[in-house]
Amino acid sequence: DAKTTQPPSMDCAEGRAANLPCNHSTISGNEYVYWYRQIHSQGPQYIIHGLKNNETNEMASLIITEDRKSSTLILPHATLRDTAVYYCIVYYDMRFGAGTRLTVKP
Amino acid sequence: GAVVSQHPSRVICKSGTSVKIECRSLDFQATTMFWYRQFPKKSLMLMATSNEGSKATYEQGVEKDKFLINHASLTLSTLTVTSAHPEDSSFYICSATSGGMGLVRSHNEQFFGPGTRLTVL
Repeated sequence: DAKTTQPPSMDCAEGRAANLPCNHSTISGNEYVYWYRQIHSQGPQYIIHGLKNNETNEMASLIITEDRKSSTLILPHATLRDTAVYYCIVYYDMRFGAGTRLTVKP
Repeated sequence: GAVVSQHPSRVICKSGTSVKIECRSLDFQATTMFWYRQFPKKSLMLMATSNEGSKATYEQGVEKDKFLINHASLTLSTLTVTSAHPEDSSFYICSATSGGMGLVRSHNEQFFGPGTRLTVL
């Protein structure tokens, strides 16, 4: 089984921030948290990753709790094209959970 | 970012035939490649992990004699579905990393291919 659990679905209004949570309570000290998203019938697209510190890139921000048992992916200004299934995985485990289906609404 | 390609992107075959899917890392050396399968509206399921030059490690429940994986070079891994049947119809996705998975764990990104849709008639 995957090391991560996520809510099955979320909605977000266009232009607002989308906050997607992920639990990874069994993560090991040297394991990274990776986030990907998948749009229908395509391979997963890399978004961001982190180990302990919060991270930000042009796509998103990643907030990791101090105990590293959970994290939140933040899309600061969601657009309709951000509608996708979002997955967090623990790097080295490589198993995907069910992910969160994010729907951005006009 | 690094690019991973898959070939073919789509294949239709008759039941009982074998199908080979290629996964290539185009601009980096992939020491480790992963193979996943995905059924409609389901998540990706890890099938196996392959390290260049060694035998693949299969996940529990995945038949190694049915899904043959070869990782003969640092840029190419192949998945062969032998004696394919309709229940093998699925979306097969590979990913590649230049990171090692051995005792000394170095961190590297994992890059996914675009996927191969297999339909067995």
